[in-house]
Amino acid sequence: SAVISQKPSRDICQRGTSLTIQCQVDSQVTMMFWYRQQPGQSLTLIATANQGSEATYESGFVIDKFPISRPNLTFSTLTVSNMSPEDSSIYLCSVGSGNNEQFFGPGTRLTVL
Amino acid sequence: EDQVTQSPEALRLQEGESSSLNCSYTVSGLRGLFWYRQDPGKGPEFLFTLYSAGEEKEKERLKATLTKKESFLHITAPKPEDSATYLCAVQAKGGGADGLTFGKGTHLIIQP
Repeated sequence: SAVISQKPSRDICQRGTSLTIQCQVDSQVTMMFWYRQQPGQSLTLIATANQGSEATYESGFVIDKFPISRPNLTFSTLTVSNMSPEDSSIYLCSVGSGNNEQFFGPGTRLTVL
Repeated sequence: EDQVTQSPEALRLQEGESSSLNCSYTVSGLRGLFWYRQDPGKGPEFLFTLYSAGEEKEKERLKATLTKKESFLHITAPKPEDSATYLCAVQAKGGGADGLTFGKGTHLIIQP
């Protein structure tokens, strides 16, 4: 399976600021996804990062709050904009394989004060 | 709306004490059901994919089974290193949606 890295691994941010999370894969992949894992909650899909076009967002998530870039087949970024304490969470990227399996990165632990 | 419910929320076993974790699901059409293991501070680690009722897969002390309404993760003679949170997820057919719908997980503790 692909090796997936995320930067930063963790961060503490002030309310009202923005943070960009990077996801790098060691091979070209078609499908990349961004998830959120809030304390005590299940992993929730934020959006599918499409290469060369706009991301596809799930219900409850909007581009202004979570802009996503996918400049090529090995890299994507997720920005958490105008943060509030409710955005404190673990953010995970995943990549899809040919048989629909998904493999996850190590996650970015975000704390908003 | 696709839903996944896992039980129990937490399970504490003695080393060597076998048990099963449950994953009940509702989905418009099942493309696949996935099991993951997640250790504290890490991303989920892929374990199994099941595609159709009656299918079974094994890996070391773990065996996953699937029916039309639920999946079980059987753990046989567990060891302390099997302690982790086990996540179940489903992927629905059609509509171009490839994302996974997850349950909240079962936190498993194996005591020596």
